[in-house]
Amino acid sequence: SQKIEQNSEALNIQEGKTATLTCNYTNYSPAYLQWYRQDPGRGPVFLLLIRENEKEKRKERLKVTFDTTLKQSLFHITASQPADSATYLCAPFSGGYNKLIFGAGTRLAVHP
Amino acid sequence: EAQVTQNPRYLITVTGKKLTVTCSQNMNHEYMSWYRQDPGLGLRQIYYSMNVEVTDKGDVPEGYKVSRKEKRNFPLILESPSPNQTSLYFCASSFSYNEQFFGPGTRLTVL
Repeated sequence: SQKIEQNSEALNIQEGKTATLTCNYTNYSPAYLQWYRQDPGRGPVFLLLIRENEKEKRKERLKVTFDTTLKQSLFHITASQPADSATYLCAPFSGGYNKLIFGAGTRLAVHP
Repeated sequence: EAQVTQNPRYLITVTGKKLTVTCSQNMNHEYMSWYRQDPGLGLRQIYYSMNVEVTDKGDVPEGYKVSRKEKRNFPLILESPSPNQTSLYFCASSFSYNEQFFGPGTRLTVL
């Protein structure tokens, strides 16, 4: 079955450092992958979409990579700030099931 | 303001008492879906709708019903709620399978 793996342990980093979050998927080949941010008790908010023919995508301090050979996406936040503290979800699109499949998310805590 | 609204935001009910959670979007999106989110399990899709009168099951449809009579509304119905349906529910809408716009969530407790 299709499976998404994100590090379940929280990532704690110091303000100003680069945070790197990992998303691994198995048993399918998504045409694209999305990343969302979720704050406690609130709905996820879309951040970035990267397609299978794009190796890298950037938006302000955010950068996403997509390695279809490794079946992995990396999400980077440069110059991190305490306001970046949240849970980040990856969601590769499953063409076979016509839907996004969400990972459980990784919680990021940025300390001053 | 473009948004997805859900009501109620919080609900405590008892086993077997039918309830409806409403969802409405003002962005003219064709695609709408319902998710439940449980600790450690992430977002799991319950039902989705490609357009008016077109709905289909997601990963965890048992115990739920939906309808799509109007493009903007996609209510979630629990005919006979049970404690294992205690969860945080999100409605989402989008054009096709692109950026999903999520509602604020409904926290449901079934006693």
